[in-house]
Amino acid sequence: GAVVSQHPSWVICKSGTSVKIECRSLDFQATTMFWYRQFPKQSLMLMATSNEGSKATYEQGVEKDKFLINHASLTLSTLTVTSAHPEDSSFYICSARAGQAGNTEAFFGQGTRLTVV
Amino acid sequence: QKEVEQDPGPLSVPEGAIVSLNCTYSNSAFQYFMWYRQYSRKGPELLMYTYSSGNKEDGRFTAQVDKSSKYISLFIRDSQPSDSATYLCAFSTNAGKSTFGDGTTLTVKP
Repeated sequence: GAVVSQHPSWVICKSGTSVKIECRSLDFQATTMFWYRQFPKQSLMLMATSNEGSKATYEQGVEKDKFLINHASLTLSTLTVTSAHPEDSSFYICSARAGQAGNTEAFFGQGTRLTVV
Repeated sequence: QKEVEQDPGPLSVPEGAIVSLNCTYSNSAFQYFMWYRQYSRKGPELLMYTYSSGNKEDGRFTAQVDKSSKYISLFIRDSQPSDSATYLCAFSTNAGKSTFGDGTTLTVKP
């Protein structure tokens, strides 16, 4: 399958600082990228959907000013957690697909474990 | 009512057993049906992807979809210890957004 690379795989930051997570599609052009958050023993919760060159669409309850998403190219999307707090500690996962329709497979990155202390 | 309900598990089976994992859904707009495997602290890995009712086989894995009953299953034959992971069912509409089940944790004992 296609490769999606997510970096870093884990990060520890101090409360109040910002953290940037990168998601790259290595062998295909990702028209659409999704960002998910996963708490321990829970499923993936969609945070936002981003299409290259346009503003991200955030799910209800997700603060767009806190979780900044940039999808400036067809191979790179970034999620910046601004002014992180301990409750933002979670596993963040991106996925990328080549098309926008549901009949295009989505491939996941390895995930980033964020710990805010 | 949640859009997706997945058998919670955990499930523990001996090596070589046949495993059945199940999900039900309520959203008729779901047109694409997926199963993902997720190892601890890793991102999900796509196992099976289908869009029609019936069975789809890939090696030891068989995905079964029954659209009329809004029910999907994943069968694992000759289960191996390396199959021990959390399995997530997922569904997509034509718009492309996926909804995931809560996952079933499987342990295959040698």
